Amino acid sequence: NAGVTQTPKFQVLKTGQSMTLQCAQDMNHNSMYWYRQDPGMGLRLIYYSASEGTTDKGEVPNGYNVSRLNKREFSLRLESAAPSQTSVYFCASRGQGGPGTGELFFGEGSRLTVL
Amino acid sequence: AQSVTQLGSHVSVSEGALVLLRCNYSSSVPPYLFWYVQYPNQGLQLLLKYTSAATLVKGINGFEAEFKKSETSFHLTKPSAHMSDAAEYFCAVTHSGGYQKVTFGTGTKLQVIP
Repeated sequence: NAGVTQTPKFQVLKTGQSMTLQCAQDMNHNSMYWYRQDPGMGLRLIYYSASEGTTDKGEVPNGYNVSRLNKREFSLRLESAAPSQTSVYFCASRGQGGPGTGELFFGEGSRLTVL
Repeated sequence: AQSVTQLGSHVSVSEGALVLLRCNYSSSVPPYLFWYVQYPNQGLQLLLKYTSAATLVKGINGFEAEFKKSETSFHLTKPSAHMSDAAEYFCAVTHSGGYQKVTFGTGTKLQVIP
């Protein structure tokens, strides 16, 4: 049971470089999310996708773009990386249940360092 | 807007002692509340959730939490700490209206002292 799979797990970039974080889930969930985790700040929502074909901004969307490629895949792109984007990035998908009640299933995280 | 506040970024307890991790929420509508746990170098996993049924919610690994509307609280407890409980714990909130947005607290790191 793969659940939520993120790639790559580790990445080092130079300022100004671009990259895409990939995320795929095999649980047939409609909703998918990208969070970043920084010490002392908890998890902050970057973007989310309520269903295939829709995306919405979260708390900290600046400097990021997303693509919901299909129901399984939700990618996060950094067009011009900055040191402030050094973080651990988590992808999650939302389980079934009534509105609001489904739990989030997380990937193992992608640790990004921008020099 | 919805938010959660976790009091205490670090909590230390002795093995066998009571664990109490605090979470207060702010929401203009009835909330749904969650506790997640994160072990080192892993993603988060669900401990328990409150979705407007019973106010006392039991989760995995002996944890439970009580929803108290009058205190806008959803504190996490465990009667007897085990070494394996050392981890970071996150409270999260959403609601039936804006349910797609899940907002997390800043987390509490639990240290268990042998």
